[in-house]
Amino acid sequence: AQSVTQLGSHVSVSEGALVLLRCNYSSSVPPYLFWYVQYPNQGLQLLLKYTSAATLVKGINDFEAEFKKSETSFHLTKPSAHMSDAAEYFCAVSVGSARQLTFGSGTQLTVLP
Amino acid sequence: DSGVTQTPKHLITATGQRVTLRCSPRSGDLSVYWYQQSLDQGLQFLIHYYNGEERAKGNILERFSAQQFPDLHSELNLSSLELGDSALYFCASNPDGTTTGYTFGSGTRLTVV
Repeated sequence: AQSVTQLGSHVSVSEGALVLLRCNYSSSVPPYLFWYVQYPNQGLQLLLKYTSAATLVKGINDFEAEFKKSETSFHLTKPSAHMSDAAEYFCAVSVGSARQLTFGSGTQLTVLP
Repeated sequence: DSGVTQTPKHLITATGQRVTLRCSPRSGDLSVYWYQQSLDQGLQFLIHYYNGEERAKGNILERFSAQQFPDLHSELNLSSLELGDSALYFCASNPDGTTTGYTFGSGTRLTVV
């Protein structure tokens, strides 16, 4: 079965600094991979997705992620953090004909002024 | 507004009671997914419906059931409620049941007292 591991349940960065949120997946077949963001008291919003096309995926709000098969990773980055990026971020995986997403445990991003 | 509507937003009920959560998918979406988000379990897939038919079941308790109606809205029924059922329940939809990304509703926060 597929699984996702998010390294670091809490990440703090200064405003303007690089954001790096780590996600490693486990899958025996090529996966679909997703990053979602959840703001307080809201639902999950799709940031970006990898579906076996380009390995570097660009999403909303200048976020991007790179699929690295050799490292089974799909880390999320943003060049310059903004205060409004403070939220919880979830990595998710889906494999083959499975319909549901399997989510990681989430990473809470804090942006310091 | 994501286009996925969940009602009610908040629900407080006593142990042993039964509640119904409602979800209206985005216009044109045939698939509805239910997820439970709790502090100890994270985001857990419950069940998936496509055009009125159950397609997949996840970690859904026997006390829980769901259905999707001809107008495509879905209801999640939770019965014999326990304190541990307190959680955020999310509904998500997508057009065709493939996991190229869901659109999530803002959730129903269930508190069992």
